Amino acid sequence: GAGVSQSPRYKVAKRGQDVALRCDPISGHVSLFWYQQALGQGPEFLTYFQNEAQLDKSGLPSDRFFAERPEGSVSTLKIQRTQQEDSAVYLCASSSLTGGGGELFFGEGSRLTVL
Amino acid sequence: KNEVEQSPQNLTAQEGEFITINCSYSVGISALHWLQQHPGGGIVSLFMLSSGKKKHGRLIATINIQEKHSSLHITASHPRDSAVYICAVLPSRLTFGEGTQLTVNP
Repeated sequence: GAGVSQSPRYKVAKRGQDVALRCDPISGHVSLFWYQQALGQGPEFLTYFQNEAQLDKSGLPSDRFFAERPEGSVSTLKIQRTQQEDSAVYLCASSSLTGGGGELFFGEGSRLTVL
Repeated sequence: KNEVEQSPQNLTAQEGEFITINCSYSVGISALHWLQQHPGGGIVSLFMLSSGKKKHGRLIATINIQEKHSSLHITASHPRDSAVYICAVLPSRLTFGEGTQLTVNP
């Protein structure tokens, strides 16, 4: 596709429900980042993939958060047993170079609301 | 102390004014990004810098690696420039500053 695509754009979940958020990066982009942006805050790093390898997952807030990119393209961020504090916009970004050294392209984000 | 600090946090300007937003960082970096986020909108990359200066239209970004400082300048500001401007630095985890909320009044 022409840009980074994220789905769903909006997700409402009941507390305790599992959710999966999808990111389709720009074709051929090596680097993929996931960020969490709470209302009124700047994005906070969650995890980074270089191709299929998850090189940095230090930002994942708990073991309820899991991300994968099995074929080095599409990535899925899974949140198990969602809590209200998980409510945020989840942003995905991709770059053609390793470590995000090239221009960054961001998706529109997936807004998660946990009731 | 945050690894990336921006100033000011909020800025209100009159249309036509010259605007400067500053970013200081404490870590060694390979590149610095300036990003723009409109209310309720996605994030758009404005510049990626590893040295020197870049210009795009009314936007100018500079970086001083030795001083660990970057600035984003907007000349002849316009209300459509109103957005949050974010400085983000590498290495791999791409650490973001808190952002600067810019409001340009007509």
